[in-house]
Amino acid sequence: EPEVTQTPSHQVTQMGQEVILRCVPISNHLYFYWYRQILGQKVEFLVSFYNNEISEKSEIFDDQFSVERPDGSNFTLKIRSTKLEDSAMYFCASSENPARGNQPQHFGDGTRLSIL
Amino acid sequence: DAKTTQPPSMDCAEGRAANLPCNHSTISGNEYVYWYRQIHSQGPQYIIHGLKNNETNEMASLIITEDRKSSTLILPHATLRDTAVYYCIVRVRSNDYKLSFGAGTTVTVRA
Repeated sequence: EPEVTQTPSHQVTQMGQEVILRCVPISNHLYFYWYRQILGQKVEFLVSFYNNEISEKSEIFDDQFSVERPDGSNFTLKIRSTKLEDSAMYFCASSENPARGNQPQHFGDGTRLSIL
Repeated sequence: DAKTTQPPSMDCAEGRAANLPCNHSTISGNEYVYWYRQIHSQGPQYIIHGLKNNETNEMASLIITEDRKSSTLILPHATLRDTAVYYCIVRVRSNDYKLSFGAGTTVTVRA
């Protein structure tokens, strides 16, 4: 069964450094998402992406965050200058066309980001 | 924010059916009910979804009340590997693609 893959599984970065989290969505999916989960807290939506542009973003997704689909297979989340509070699990998800109402999002197993 | 209410936790016995309730009293006619689960820090795993009819797949069954104000996820024969946090999520708007996760129900399957 096709799946969303994320790399790396664990990323350790010094505060203030840039980090790029990578995702390969399911191949025929058109909508891509990033979520995060701080340890012990709820899964939170960050951003959705369709047709090479952001379709929705949350308040968490401020100017230090950016997303890109650099080629036909990868979807990336960049954090420009990391802070301690960015430490979390970051999940990528993809779906076909949720506007049809019956297309679920499928998630990867996440990247654990640890900011020192 | 999620518009669902779930019990914080429940136990069930291995091999028995697990019935997970969810209230969504403010659901509107074009909103679907989705169920996901998260097994210990893995990514959320899609289980099933429905609009108004009952649904069944290889993982579970979804029973939606006639008034659509509540639903029940049924795991027919729970195994230890079904221990997870289960999330009932209503899509907030038809053009709002994000999933709003609540705290879910922590289900512990006991041998």
